[in-house]
This record gives sequence, structure tokens and C-alpha cells, in this order.
Amino acid sequence: SQKIEQNSEALNIQEGKTATLTCNYTNYSPAYLQWYRQDPGRGPVFLLLIRENEKEKRKERLKVTFDTTLKQSLFHITASQPADSATYLCAFRYTGGFKTIFGAGTRLFVKA
Amino acid sequence: DSGVTQTPKHLITATGQRVTLRCSPRSGDLSVYWYQQSLDQGLQFLIQYYNGEERAKGNILERFSAQQFPDLHSELNLSSLELGDSALYFCASSPRQGSTDTQYFGPGTRLTVL
Repeated sequence: SQKIEQNSEALNIQEGKTATLTCNYTNYSPAYLQWYRQDPGRGPVFLLLIRENEKEKRKERLKVTFDTTLKQSLFHITASQPADSATYLCAFRYTGGFKTIFGAGTRLFVKA
Repeated sequence: DSGVTQTPKHLITATGQRVTLRCSPRSGDLSVYWYQQSLDQGLQFLIQYYNGEERAKGNILERFSAQQFPDLHSELNLSSLELGDSALYFCASSPRQGSTDTQYFGPGTRLTVL
């Protein structure tokens, strides 16, 4: 079945550094990937969408890459701030059945 | 605030009972999605409706059912509840049903089954 894997271990970084989160997918080749942010007890919030032909996409301090050869997307937050501390989820829509598949998320802690 | 509303915020009930969770999508959105999120399972897609019709189904249990009404609000019915059904239930909406549509999530309903 289609799967998304994200690093289940929390990522701890110092304020001002770049955080890099990884999303790997198997058994499917999605045409796009989405990244969401989720704070504890709240619903996910959409951040970025990247299509397979885009390779890289930026929005303010966020950057996403998409490597279809490696079946991997990387999510970067530059000049990280404590307010960036949250869980980040990647997702794709499986067009075979139209169900949306989310990764388990990676928890990011940014220390001041 | 995403514009998606869910009621109730919290629900505490006993095993074997039946509950109904309600979702109102953003104004103008035609698709509604339901998700279950528990600590050990992550965000699991349950079902999607588009303009009143079922469009996609995930790993939704037979004890669970949903529908979308003509005014586009949706309800998720959970019956014969078990302890393992305790979770956060999220509703999301999107303008259409396309693969690249952004999904806007509601605040969730926390269900506790005792």
C-alpha cells in the first residue's frame, strides 16, 4: 500500500539555524506533495504544495524540494524561531482511490 | 481560524454508545473530509464527500458512517464505541475535489471512550 515515512524522532535545533525535515514515500509516485504544520491539539494548517516537475519551492523562510528519483521531499525552515516549534506533516493524494495519505509527522523544537 | 467549525469540542462517552460529530465547511467549499488522529496512528483519512456524494474512502470501520447534507455540512456517526476509538477527529474542507486542493482543517473533536 502507499506509504509516507517521516522521521519519528523529534528534531531539536537552536534558534537561527536551519531545520531540515524529511519525507519519504513508497509504493506510489505522487504528482505532488503537501506540507502542513500542526500545533498540539489543533488541526493541521497547510503550508506549501510542490509538484513533481518543480524540484524546489519557496515561501518566505520555508523551502521544499521534491526528488522523484530518491522518492523524497525535504522541508527546510531557515533562520528558525521558537515559534516554529510544531509538528510538520507531509501528505499526498492517491489518485487511484483519491484518499489522502499523511505521514506521521516530525516534531520540531527550536530552542532560544 | 480556518473557517471550518466542528462540534462538539469534547465528547466523553461509554463503550457501546453511539455519537455524532458535526462539521460545517468553509463558505463555498464543496468537499468535506474526515480524519482520525490517535497517538499511535497519526492522521488517518476516513472518508471524503463532494457536494453530497461519497468520493473517497479510507480505512473507515463499518461501525462508522458519514453523510453530507444539502447545505454541505457533514456528520460522522460512530457506533458501538470501543476504547480504541478514543481520538481526535478532524474535519477538513476544500473548494473542489481536485488532488491539489488545499484542505482546511477544523479545530477537531476530542472523543474519549471510557
